[in-house]
Amino acid sequence: GDSVTQMEGPVTLSEEAFLTINCTYTATGYPSLFWYVQYPGEGLQLLLKATKADDKGSNKGFEATYRKETTSFHLEKGSVQVSDSAVYFCARRSGNTGKLIFGQGTTLQVKP
Amino acid sequence: EAGVAQSPRYKIIEKRQSVAFWCNPISGHATLYWYQQILGQGPKLLIQFQNNGVVDDSQLPKDRFSAERLKGVDSTLKIQPAKLEDSAVYLCASSLGSASGVYEQYFGPGTRLTVT
Repeated sequence: GDSVTQMEGPVTLSEEAFLTINCTYTATGYPSLFWYVQYPGEGLQLLLKATKADDKGSNKGFEATYRKETTSFHLEKGSVQVSDSAVYFCARRSGNTGKLIFGQGTTLQVKP
Repeated sequence: EAGVAQSPRYKIIEKRQSVAFWCNPISGHATLYWYQQILGQGPKLLIQFQNNGVVDDSQLPKDRFSAERLKGVDSTLKIQPAKLEDSAVYLCASSLGSASGVYEQYFGPGTRLTVT
């Protein structure tokens, strides 16, 4: 069935370091792909999305490119800040009802 | 614009007791979702409503879980009786529609349930 796999955390980085969080998905068709972020004590927020192959989603310095060849949607940021500390979830659309399938989440901790 | 509201934020109950969660979606959003997020895992869809009709409840444990969305606005999710494995955060989300790849889902803060 449809699934999403993320790299295990926690990921601990120093401020201004480069971030990559890997995400791969099962390929049934060409689903829309998403990254959500969950800050402590808050609900999930959409960070970025891509709706077709080779699309690049970007927001707040974060980027992810829809790679159909490798069924991947890795999240990157060139210079992380302490305020980026959160849990990041990769997700794919499943079917045509809007249902989202999430990865297990990756905790990012950025130290000053 | 007000976001998705949920209550209560926290609930502790003993196994075999009953519990209910409430969700008020963003005004005008036709689609409402309930997700279960167990610690260390990503959210899993329990049930999806389009207005007041059920679109997908394939992963809802119907022997103990029930949900309704009266008048196509607020929704209630109930667990009766609760089991230890129901300990999780229950997230409500809403969107304008559900056409694939088009509508963003907005999430509420969640209700953290602990079953002892």
